Amino acid sequence: DSGVTQTPKHLITATGQRVTLRCSPRSGDLSVYWYQQSLDQGLQFLIQYYNGEERAKGNILERFSAQQFPDLHSELNLSSLELGDSALYFCASSPLLSSYEQYFGPGTRLTVT
Amino acid sequence: AQSVTQPDIHITVSEGASLELRCNYSYGATPYLFWYVQSPGQGLQLLLKYFSGDTLVQGIKGFEAEFKRSQSSFNLRKPSVHWSDAAEYFCAVGGAGGGNKLTFGTGTQLKVEL
Repeated sequence: DSGVTQTPKHLITATGQRVTLRCSPRSGDLSVYWYQQSLDQGLQFLIQYYNGEERAKGNILERFSAQQFPDLHSELNLSSLELGDSALYFCASSPLLSSYEQYFGPGTRLTVT
Repeated sequence: AQSVTQPDIHITVSEGASLELRCNYSYGATPYLFWYVQSPGQGLQLLLKYFSGDTLVQGIKGFEAEFKRSQSSFNLRKPSVHWSDAAEYFCAVGGAGGGNKLTFGTGTQLKVEL
């Protein structure tokens, strides 16, 4: 158990819908990262937040957005969902802005039908 | 841009045999290198990391990896594989671009024959 929690574990929804994935980092970690794991794209970095501020963006679609709240939990919002958005979404956390050592949560499996 | 290549998609070894999983990276400076393991239905667990110093690093579960700058490699090894090691293994590199993102390889699926 890494100490990173993600909810829900599984999510099934229809095309065009909007969902919110939630992540609580390890106690004391200020940085949160979101990754997408799909069969065709592999593991891709989406976005990083540090202490409430966006720090880096990767291959994140405009339909996707994220935020980190004052209590340091983070949410990833996916809207206008398409079949191709079906994937495993991981959250990871690390203690510092400069830390590359990331601890991953169990993931949320999103299925878009 | 940084990138990671794991040339072996699938590897099968017998229990008790030694294991080496290959990882090659592309990065202009000294990279931060990681190996993660993902069991079915599970998240990613950090096995070991290399930041600097001794090029042979020890990790959890009896795994080790060796950083070879001349070959741009960071291969994962284990002297004797256990059936519970069957999983997918990912090599990752960090160090470039804004933020602290990790760039992952495509993974190597390890099967252990009893």
